Amino acid sequence: NAGVTQTPKFRVLKTGQSMTLLCAQDMNHEYMYWYRQDPGMGLRLIHYSVGEGTTAKGEVPDGYNVSRLKKQNFLLGLESAAPSQTSVYFCASTGVPYNEQFFGPGTRLTVL
Amino acid sequence: AQKITQTQPGMFVQEKEAVTLDCTYDTSDPSYGLFWYKQPSSGEMIFLIYQGSYDQQNATEGRYSLNFQKARKSANLVISASQLGDSAMYFCAMRGAQLTFGSGTQLTVLP
Repeated sequence: NAGVTQTPKFRVLKTGQSMTLLCAQDMNHEYMYWYRQDPGMGLRLIHYSVGEGTTAKGEVPDGYNVSRLKKQNFLLGLESAAPSQTSVYFCASTGVPYNEQFFGPGTRLTVL
Repeated sequence: AQKITQTQPGMFVQEKEAVTLDCTYDTSDPSYGLFWYKQPSSGEMIFLIYQGSYDQQNATEGRYSLNFQKARKSANLVISASQLGDSAMYFCAMRGAQLTFGSGTQLTVLP
């Protein structure tokens, strides 16, 4: 099992560009999450999904959109990137919402 | 709303000694869970230990134990016999429908 994978690992964007981050899990988990981690801070929840076809907003959803068309994939989109979105993005999944979350390796995004 | 507070931005400990990382929390939910994660410099998030609010005993996982004091709303992580590989950022987190993280404590183990 690969667990939780994220694509890409690194990306540099210019202000106003768009991109999509892909999270994939092979553990048949229902719940998936996108977090961002800024320097010196803990993770903050952007969006999450409790199952295929469903998404919900987390703590810091503005400027991001998500989709969960397939159970194993959770996409995070930035329509018009801003320097404030420079961060490390983590995806996580869990089979039961109150259990341990399994994290991907992270995507380091820089917006110039 | 729930909140996690880690008041120690950085800690130092001598190799082979024990260290306690503080975590306090606030929630109005009667049922909750508390997690500790380790984030080494490589960046991945590694699950360490979990404590449920109704668990009668403190959780332990190898060299990690969680000192859970429900009345004081604290869930401190104790690492016994520190090793150089324990140097990392440590995050306390609370689960409801979502997982809320504290700001972390950077632990450095000195040889």
